[in-house]
Formats: sequence, C-alpha cells, structure tokens
Amino acid sequence: EAQVTQNPRYLITVTGKKLTVTCSQNMNHEYMSWYRQDPGLGLRQIYYSMNVEVTDKGDVPEGYKVSRKEKRNFPLILESPSPNQTSLYFCASSRTDGNTIYFGEGSWLTVV
Amino acid sequence: AQSVTQPDIHITVSEGASLELRCNYSYGATPYLFWYVQSPGQGLQLLLKYFSGDTLVQGIKGFEAEFKRSQSSFNLRKPSVHWSDAAEYFCAVGKVGGSQGNLIFGKGTKLSVKP
Repeated sequence: EAQVTQNPRYLITVTGKKLTVTCSQNMNHEYMSWYRQDPGLGLRQIYYSMNVEVTDKGDVPEGYKVSRKEKRNFPLILESPSPNQTSLYFCASSRTDGNTIYFGEGSWLTVV
Repeated sequence: AQSVTQPDIHITVSEGASLELRCNYSYGATPYLFWYVQSPGQGLQLLLKYFSGDTLVQGIKGFEAEFKRSQSSFNLRKPSVHWSDAAEYFCAVGKVGGSQGNLIFGKGTKLSVKP
C-alpha cells in the first residue's frame, strides 16, 4: 500500500529541545516536501527536496532544517524549537513527472 | 508572487442544499489545480485535480470543479450536501517551476452543515 509515514504523530516538547519529525515514503518518489498548517493560514511549505541530496527552502523555512540522504526519508529537524512552531505538520511525496501527491497523516507538535 | 484566494472563511449550508466554494488563483499560464478536504482532526484527502483538458473535473464524494481561465477561478461544487461533508476545504495550485508536489494552498473554507 502506498504510504507516507510520519512520526511522531503527537508531541509536546519544551522550548529549545531539539527534535526530529521523521517522514518515510514507500513509493520511490523523487519529490518530498514539508508543510505546516496553522488556523486561518492554510498550509505553507517549509522545505522541499527534488531528489537525494537536493533540498531547497519553501515559503516558511526559518527555524527548520531538513536532509535527504536516502530517497525514502525526509526528516524535519527543529534545532531549537520555539512556541511559534506549535503547528500541525504534513509531509508529502510525489513523482516529479507524476500527478498524484501523497500526504502523511500529520504530526501535531506543541512547543511549551 | 503566486497566490490562492479562498474568499469565504466559513460557510453554512443546509443539508440537501447545493454548495459552491470559491477559489481564485494568480498564475500566468495554465496551472495545476487541486481541491483537498480535511475533516476535523484528520489529514488531507484529495477531492479532485485539474491539469489540462476538460475544464469540468469530476471528483470523489460527488464533488466537481470548473476551471475558468478568464476568471482565474477553480470553484468547487456539489449539488446536494450531506452532513458528512462538514469539514475544511483547501484549494491549491502547483508552484511555477516546481513539480506537482510543490503547492501553494489557500487559507481554507470551513463548511458547516445544518440539519
């Protein structure tokens, strides 16, 4: 079954404590990206990756890092989380020549 | 810059009534357009998408959308709303120069359904 898997699904953490949200896809997709969803703002792209070792900033990259060492994985790293990064995060993947985007189920992150 | 506008933040309709959710985009060429639905506490589900061809697109759950280039619009419609359609709806456009996975989303329209 085609899947994009995010972990953790729910996390409460404290300001400044580094955390990583993992994302893995089983479809051999080249393209992966991260979005955050905030009330009244919709989804905004944080970072994206067009293939292994190729990443670029989206619309709201501040405070986040990513890496793409393997095709299937695209972790989102918050080096020093702050309360304004409290949000719902979605990972997505697709083929670059495809027309279907698969989203993970979302990760609820609260920074206190 | 590219943008997607959903003018209605919240809409309430009666069950059985028709529905139209508005979406306008800014883009020079023919865009890739999507509608997603998100039920409370849930992830995103793709309702339909438009890449090219027939401007009237059929989706799941009885939804359809029409691409109108002259109006830069991609409005979502359903002839008869069910209580289970209560959710938040997002219109999205593919970014210029990006793959289809590189999306700009509207801010969403929350749909409430009255019995």
